[in-house]
Amino acid sequence: EPEVTQTPSHQVTQMGQEVILRCVPISNHLYFYWYRQILGQKVEFLVSFYNNEISEKSEIFDDQFSVERPDGSNFTLKIRSTKLEDSAMYFCASSEERVKEETQYFGPGTRLLVL
Amino acid sequence: DQQVKQNSPSLSVQEGRISILNCDYTNSMFDYFLWYKKYPAEGPTFLISISSIKDKNEDGRFTVFLNKSAKHLSLHIVPSQPGDSAVYFCAARSYGQNFVFGPGTRLSVLP
Repeated sequence: EPEVTQTPSHQVTQMGQEVILRCVPISNHLYFYWYRQILGQKVEFLVSFYNNEISEKSEIFDDQFSVERPDGSNFTLKIRSTKLEDSAMYFCASSEERVKEETQYFGPGTRLLVL
Repeated sequence: DQQVKQNSPSLSVQEGRISILNCDYTNSMFDYFLWYKKYPAEGPTFLISISSIKDKNEDGRFTVFLNKSAKHLSLHIVPSQPGDSAVYFCAARSYGQNFVFGPGTRLSVLP
């Protein structure tokens, strides 16, 4: 069964450093998403991406965040200058169609710890 | 501003009995609701959905009930199995918007 993969599984970084979280969506999917879950809190939508551009983003997704699909298979989330409050589990997801949200397939997540 | 609430952080149920997970929402524009299940070290996986034009949707052991007037939905699992032990997220959206997730309820099914 096809699956979304994410690397690394864990990332520890110093405050102020840049991090890049990587995701490989399912190959025939067209819509890509990033979510985050701060420990003990709800899953929060960050951004959706379609046709090589951001289609929607939340208030959390400020200028410190960017997304890219550099090579047709990877989908990356970059945090330019990490803050302590960026510590969270970051989930990538992909789907075939925008309207069929129930078929969003989530990756296993990257746990980011900012010290 | 918690638009989607799951007031029980945890729930324990005996194997074979019914599990009832509750979710309340505040935004009357929400018209589509999902339940996701999440195991440790894995991403959320879709479980069942319901549109606001329905009040019930059933899929095997899983049934979701929607009470629009009360802005309440619930997920029933019957009979509960130990493999159902996971965190369950309720998510809701209004048309054209992205989903808003609840904080989750950790279900433990005891053998």
